[in-house]
Amino acid sequence: DAGVTQSPTHLIKTRGQQVTLRCSPKSGHDTVSWYQQALGQGPQFIFQYYEEEERQRGNFPDRFSGHQFPNYSSELNVNALLLGDSALYLCASSPTRNTGELFFGEGSRLTVL
Amino acid sequence: AQRVTQPEKLLSVFKGAPVELKCNYSYSGSPELFWYVQYSRQRLQLLLRHISRESIKGFTADLNKGETSFHLKKPFAQEEDSAMYYCALSGRDSSYKLIFGSGTRLLVRP
Repeated sequence: DAGVTQSPTHLIKTRGQQVTLRCSPKSGHDTVSWYQQALGQGPQFIFQYYEEEERQRGNFPDRFSGHQFPNYSSELNVNALLLGDSALYLCASSPTRNTGELFFGEGSRLTVL
Repeated sequence: AQRVTQPEKLLSVFKGAPVELKCNYSYSGSPELFWYVQYSRQRLQLLLRHISRESIKGFTADLNKGETSFHLKKPFAQEEDSAMYYCALSGRDSSYKLIFGSGTRLLVRP
């Protein structure tokens, strides 16, 4: 089992563009959460997906949206990119919704110029 | 407000010395506390959680509700303990979103 896999690992965009990040959860996990980690900060919760629905959301604008597919994989979309969106985006999966034991991917590093 | 504070960005100790990584939290309900660790060139992973009351790799952490703290301790640091440590909390009354602190880098010198 490769664990949680994310793609792409690095990408560069310009202000105003849109980006899609992808995540495959660990085998047997049905819940996917996304976190944003700015340089020198801890991860910040964006949202959680379970049964193909957004179940909980952090304090992020509507420019951040997501999707979960029937195979439990997930996408994070960010529209109208701002310089401040530059960060490491982490995907984490868990076997159920109700656990704080998360399995993280290596992240997608987004740079907005 | 829900918040996790790790006051030290960097903690440097010598091998064999005791280690204490501080974590204070603010939460109005019933929290569950965690320590996550990220070793060099590895992904973020769970080290321990307070409800398990386990010792992992020699580390322990006790939840002190009076002081709202969850400090991570190890009596004798090893070089392989050098890593980034994050304290995190979640509410047990809802789906688990984790609130992370800003992290403490532990450097264990030989």
